[in-house]
Amino acid sequence: GAGVSQSPRYKVAKRGQDVALRCDPISGHVSLFWYQQALGQGPEFLTYFQNEAQLDKSGLPSDRFFAERPEGSVSTLKIQRTQQEDSAVYLCASSLGGLREVADTQYFGPGTRLTVL
Amino acid sequence: GNSVTQMEGPVTLSEEAFLTINCTYTATGYPSLFWYVQYPGEGLQLLLKATKADDKGSNKGFEATYRKETTSFHLEKGSVQVSDSAVYFCALKDDKIIFGKGTRLHILP
Repeated sequence: GAGVSQSPRYKVAKRGQDVALRCDPISGHVSLFWYQQALGQGPEFLTYFQNEAQLDKSGLPSDRFFAERPEGSVSTLKIQRTQQEDSAVYLCASSLGGLREVADTQYFGPGTRLTVL
Repeated sequence: GNSVTQMEGPVTLSEEAFLTINCTYTATGYPSLFWYVQYPGEGLQLLLKATKADDKGSNKGFEATYRKETTSFHLEKGSVQVSDSAVYFCALKDDKIIFGKGTRLHILP
């Protein structure tokens, strides 16, 4: 695949349900990022992986949010006991190098739009 | 903390008009600066970037210059097209990427 892919593209959940969002980064990319984009806002950082290591999870809004990348490739963002305020587009991005490489470009997936009823 | 402020939209222009979208930043270090674009129904795409002061990023007729003295990275285009209609995000990268709120641009034929 040429780019970052995410699935599902759309997810409707009832309040209290658990959801899992998947990200397939560009093959060989070391870094993987998750962002949350509320309606009419810019993306906000959630968490960062370098290979399989989660190096920064400072943006995760609560302990209901959990992300993993067990083999350093595909990543899953899990939200437990969803709330209405979790409704947003969740974006995944990957980059070839590590976070400290200032000129490195992040490539974004199309996002998963989560609606919590 | 680091932050990005960009002009609020929507911005509506006629085709072939000159475009400026203002962006200023606050950062403790020396971040890289970016403009991303989100076309209708598509994901975020990198439009241009600059990694140090006085660098000029350019792509598809768009330009932005990293101005450390005014902490700005304004996006400009000399003659916009209908196909430029999109949402534009200014961003900085220090230890993580921080985005502005986005500016929606409408170009009328």
